[in-house]
Amino acid sequence: NAGVTQTPKFQVLKTGQSMTLQCAQDMNHNSMYWYRQDPGMGLRLIYYSASEGTTDKGEVPNGYNVSRLNKREFSLRLESAAPSQTSVYFCASSDRLAGGPNTGELFFGEGSRLTVL
Amino acid sequence: GDSVTQMEGPVTLSEEAFLTINCTYTATGYPSLFWYVQYPGEGLQLLLKATKADDKGSNKGFEATYRKETTSFHLEKGSVQVSDSAVYFCALSPGAWAQKLVFGQGTRLTINP
Repeated sequence: NAGVTQTPKFQVLKTGQSMTLQCAQDMNHNSMYWYRQDPGMGLRLIYYSASEGTTDKGEVPNGYNVSRLNKREFSLRLESAAPSQTSVYFCASSDRLAGGPNTGELFFGEGSRLTVL
Repeated sequence: GDSVTQMEGPVTLSEEAFLTINCTYTATGYPSLFWYVQYPGEGLQLLLKATKADDKGSNKGFEATYRKETTSFHLEKGSVQVSDSAVYFCALSPGAWAQKLVFGQGTRLTINP
């Protein structure tokens, strides 16, 4: 049972380059999220998708774009990478939130470590 | 806005010691509260949760009680093991219908044999 799968796991970019982080979940969850994790700052929400066809900004959306390709997949794009985007990125998904009580349980991928030089 | 504050880390204990990791929160309304754990090289996973005041969440020997009067959700374990070494995150969900978790900064715990 794969759960949430992220690719790539590691990436090094030069300032100004672009890239896309891919995320897929096989649990038939409605909602998906992208977080970044920085030392001493916990996890901060970049974007989320409450359900297929919708996306919304989180706490730190600047410099990122997202696409909810279908129910399974949610990608995060950096159009012009900056050193401040060096971080570990986590994709997560959750169940039955749109129109129903929040279970609060997020299922996370293993993370993607991005370094921007 | 809503926020979560955890005790500063890192925390280092000997095996079988008692553990407390403090967590306090600021929120409007009636949030649900969570502890997540991140083992080395892995993503976060839910450890326990409490959805209303005075609820106690428990799992794997860990416990936390939702204290509305002190806006706290401290994590405790009576006897820690080396395998408990991880980073622990306190988090809140702003309301029953909200979908986004707000995380604390995390506390790195190391247990020495």
